[in-house]
Amino acid sequence: KAGVTQTPRYLIKTRGQQVTLSCSPISGHRSVSWYQQTPGQGLQFLFEYFSETQRNKGNFPGRFSGRQFSNSRSEMNVSTLELGDSALYLCASSWGLAGGAGEQYFGPGTRLTVT
Amino acid sequence: GENVEQHPSTLSVQEGDSAVIKCTYSDSASNYFPWYKQELGKRPQLIIDIRSNVGEKKDQRIAVTLNKTAKHFSLHITETQPEDSAVYFCAASISSSASKIIFGSGTRLSIRP
Repeated sequence: KAGVTQTPRYLIKTRGQQVTLSCSPISGHRSVSWYQQTPGQGLQFLFEYFSETQRNKGNFPGRFSGRQFSNSRSEMNVSTLELGDSALYLCASSWGLAGGAGEQYFGPGTRLTVT
Repeated sequence: GENVEQHPSTLSVQEGDSAVIKCTYSDSASNYFPWYKQELGKRPQLIIDIRSNVGEKKDQRIAVTLNKTAKHFSLHITETQPEDSAVYFCAASISSSASKIIFGSGTRLSIRP
């Protein structure tokens, strides 16, 4: 079974631009969660999508948004990029809701650098 | 909301010795506690998890203990080996509802040869 995939793996953007990251979950998984990982803040929860609906949201500004498609693939969008948005963005998929019975499997991440 | 604190932030142990990482959580309703290992440049991977209906779970050299009264749980690694060097994250959530998994800040474990 193929694992969680994320595209692109690396991205360099300029302040003020917007970016879209993509996550393809393991086949059959219906939940996709997004996390921001930085050296100082660890793994910060962004949001979780399940069956195309946002089920949970972390404490991030409205510039961070996401969506999930009918095939469970998910995209995350960050508008008006700031230098502080530079981070590794990880997505994780699970069969059920992330906080439930299903184990989360992480993707390799997208390394975003904002200059 | 849930808050998870993890200690220590860095830990160095001699190869063959044991390592213990501790976490505390704030929401007494939390009942699912996974532990993830993240090697340098790699994705986090689940190494063990425990639910609130048990106090301890063991898998070879790794064990997790849970004290619901005190709201803390710990990861124990015995007979440490060089490949145990990584960052370890604890997490907590409420599995019976659509709650988010909240992660601790991570512990960088180094195994000295």
